[in-house]
Amino acid sequence: ETGVTQTPRHLVMGMTNKKSLKCEQHLGHNAMYWYKQSAKKPLELMFVYSLEERVENNSVPSRFSPECPNSSHLFLHLHTLQPEDSALYLCASSQAPDGPFYNSPLHFGNGTRLTVT
Amino acid sequence: EDQVTQSPEALRLQEGESSSLNCSYTVSGLRGLFWYRQDPGKGPEFLFTLYSAGEEKEKERLKATLTKKESFLHITAPKPEDSATYLCAANDMRFGAGTRLTVKP
Repeated sequence: ETGVTQTPRHLVMGMTNKKSLKCEQHLGHNAMYWYKQSAKKPLELMFVYSLEERVENNSVPSRFSPECPNSSHLFLHLHTLQPEDSALYLCASSQAPDGPFYNSPLHFGNGTRLTVT
Repeated sequence: EDQVTQSPEALRLQEGESSSLNCSYTVSGLRGLFWYRQDPGKGPEFLFTLYSAGEEKEKERLKATLTKKESFLHITAPKPEDSATYLCAANDMRFGAGTRLTVKP
């Protein structure tokens, strides 16, 4: 399997549930990202892991918790979400020789469509 | 504050009708300007990277150009399969909201 794979593709959860999103990259990249995409809004960077360094966006609520056990796998743990968290969650990877946001393009998965009821 | 703004928000073209999409940016020290294409239900797909003013890159009917303040994505004689949302991003992967392009046969 090649590229960036995200599971599940669709997820419906209640506000009191706990769930996890999974991302796996088969490109040999050393940086992985979580983005949130809401309708008619720019992609919002949530978290980055690169060269074992975690970079956070301070505006991300604590109900979102990332985990990166190795350079190929990335998780986003979700708990007590709100309806406004419903969105498309995209995982991406890149080859970042000098840290994240180096001038390397991102390779995206097809996302998890999350609906919070 | 670093910002990326795309215009128009939506663009409808007839097949063969050429046009341009705009991406204006204000960042402190551009290291790269990226263009992506996103089809419905899919993640963005990388198209081009531009690094310095004056640089141009082409792929089929698409040509991307860069100045010190903005980038253009020129679409020549578009086809219906070019319909998609086009995203640009600068440096720290700060994205614009995208331009939704529809090409009618």
